[in-house]
Amino acid sequence: NAGVTQTPKFQVLKTGQSMTLQCAQDMNHEYMSWYRQDPGMGLRLIHYSVGAGITDQGEVPNGYNVSRSTTEDFPLRLLSAAPSQTSVYFCASSYSQGAENIQYFGAGTRLSVL
Amino acid sequence: KQEVTQIPAALSVPEGENLVLNCSFTDSAIYNLQWFRQDPGKGLTSLLLIQSSQREQTSGRLNASLDKSSGRSTLYIAASQPGDSATYLCAPGRGSTLGRLYFGRGTQLTVWP
Repeated sequence: NAGVTQTPKFQVLKTGQSMTLQCAQDMNHEYMSWYRQDPGMGLRLIHYSVGAGITDQGEVPNGYNVSRSTTEDFPLRLLSAAPSQTSVYFCASSYSQGAENIQYFGAGTRLSVL
Repeated sequence: KQEVTQIPAALSVPEGENLVLNCSFTDSAIYNLQWFRQDPGKGLTSLLLIQSSQREQTSGRLNASLDKSSGRSTLYIAASQPGDSATYLCAPGRGSTLGRLYFGRGTQLTVWP
């Protein structure tokens, strides 16, 4: 049972380049989300999904796109990378949004935009 | 918007001490609250989850309490060890916004031998 897997672990981009951060979970979780973590700040929600085909914006969605074609995968796309998107990105999942359900996090993707 | 504050921001103690980490939040309409541990360069590991109907949860040397009406949660760590050194994050969750967690900046804990 791998849990939540994020790839790549590290990435360096030039301004204006695009890329996709991958997130996959093997726990059949309905709910998946993306957060970014910046120094001196708490994690902030970018986008989330409550099931295949359903996505919505979080607190800081600008510059990012998501889709959820399968239960297992929830990729995050950077359309045109900017230095302000330099951050650590975490994917999380849980069985549902119920009060008793723990959220599980991946190990993170560390992104630098030059 | 939910605002989460964690005090202290950093804590450095000798091994064996009993510790108290504090978390306060502004919106008491939460479904649950999770405490996470984050090691340097790593992801988040869930330590304890307290549902809004509960007052506390215990796991080994860890005990978390929740006072929803006053917007406070406390994580107690008994008999601290160097292996407890990490950043501890508090995250209240709202089911009405589909399981979203709101995070504080964390308490960075160092336990020295």
